[in-house]
Amino acid sequence: DTGVSQNPRHKITKRGQNVTFRCDPISEHNRLYWYRQTLGQGPEFLTYFQNEAQLEKSRLLSDRFSAERPKGSFSTLEIQRTEQGDSAMYLCASSPPTISGNTIYFGEGSWLTVV
Amino acid sequence: QQQVKQSPQSLIVQKGGISIINCAYENTAFDYFPWYQQFPGKGPALLIAIRPDVSEKKEGRFTISFNKSAKQFSLHIMDSQPGDSATYFCAASGKTSGSRLTFGEGTQLTVNP
Repeated sequence: DTGVSQNPRHKITKRGQNVTFRCDPISEHNRLYWYRQTLGQGPEFLTYFQNEAQLEKSRLLSDRFSAERPKGSFSTLEIQRTEQGDSAMYLCASSPPTISGNTIYFGEGSWLTVV
Repeated sequence: QQQVKQSPQSLIVQKGGISIINCAYENTAFDYFPWYQQFPGKGPALLIAIRPDVSEKKEGRFTISFNKSAKQFSLHIMDSQPGDSATYFCAASGKTSGSRLTFGEGTQLTVNP
């Protein structure tokens, strides 16, 4: 049973450095989502892809954040010039193609600590 | 703008008791309402979900009650067990939002043995 896979699971970086997270969705899921979750809060939507097209970006996704899904399979989320406020868990999720109300499956998350 | 409001923030229940968590939404375009369970250090896992064409859905010990006119829905956990201790999130999505989920703030449930 291969679920949504995220790497690395934990990343500690110095302020100002760039970091990249990778997400491998469930096979044949054409939709892929990135969320951010801080302690004590619910996940907040960042962006989503349908196949390789990035269809929506949240206002939370500043210019320092960029996400790609080049071949409609895995995705990367890059954060440039990290700030302490970027410390959070970055969740990737995927869902199969339906009209609406998809079951969205989350990965285990990638924890980012900016020191 | 918080579109899904969840209460209570925390809940303590005795083993065997009923846990009830409530959510209210604002966006009438929402048409899918899932509940997620999250253990510390893990990603959220789908527990149960409902669409507005039914007022109740039950899966094992978990039941969603849905009130479309009041724009509210709730999760009931019957015969609560210590293993149910986790954080629960309600969420909502709609056709116009690309199925992206808007989450509530979460409820930390503790079931005492």
